[in-house]
Amino acid sequence: AQKITQTQPGMFVQEKEAVTLDCTYDTSDQSYGLFWYKQPSSGEMIFLIYQGSYDEQNATEGRYSLNFQKARKSANLVISASQLGDSAMYFCAMREGLPSGGSYIPTFGRGTSLIVHP
Amino acid sequence: GAVVSQHPSRVICKSGTSVKIECRSLDFQATTMFWYRQFPKQSLMLMATSNEGSKATYEQGVEKDKFLINHASLTLSTLTVTSAHPEDSSFYICSATSRTAYNEQFFGPGTRLTVL
Repeated sequence: AQKITQTQPGMFVQEKEAVTLDCTYDTSDQSYGLFWYKQPSSGEMIFLIYQGSYDEQNATEGRYSLNFQKARKSANLVISASQLGDSAMYFCAMREGLPSGGSYIPTFGRGTSLIVHP
Repeated sequence: GAVVSQHPSRVICKSGTSVKIECRSLDFQATTMFWYRQFPKQSLMLMATSNEGSKATYEQGVEKDKFLINHASLTLSTLTVTSAHPEDSSFYICSATSRTAYNEQFFGPGTRLTVL
């Protein structure tokens, strides 16, 4: 079974509108972390936002917010006021458990391609 | 944020040659580095995890003798693709975590390898 599921291969949004990118996860660990990354056409992975499993409030970073619903095991990314520069691939990722020796094994979803229309 | 560099950004080589890709953490000590491979329009596939001073841990299906990983210092890891073939053509990305910021991976800009 996939640990990270992104069901939307592609999404379109009008500039200045908000958009939600879906992510569900599967883990039996109590301690885990969820990430969202943006990958523009240049290929670089850009960290957007992080949510820890024990964080009670939803993470926010500027125009990005993470809608964390623990019982549903979902961690959707909300981008408010979309900009043309937001067009990119977006990956949801999870790390499970606690790091051992300073490392953990991250798992990535298949990604969602977002296109922002003017 | 922390900076990770990767060199070269692009490399084209002939089949049968070896290619070395460097991954450096510029302003922090990277206790762990990860190497990923990404095919067009697909997700990142973890190849191996390397901790400084110890042997890399390879994911299932990744050939250790084909993809040599060395993490000789806290700021440098190298991936060597030995006897490269066209099917090794891909986008290779490294990332690093530090002991103090293990919740975040810092990614390099990636290396696009094309084997002719």
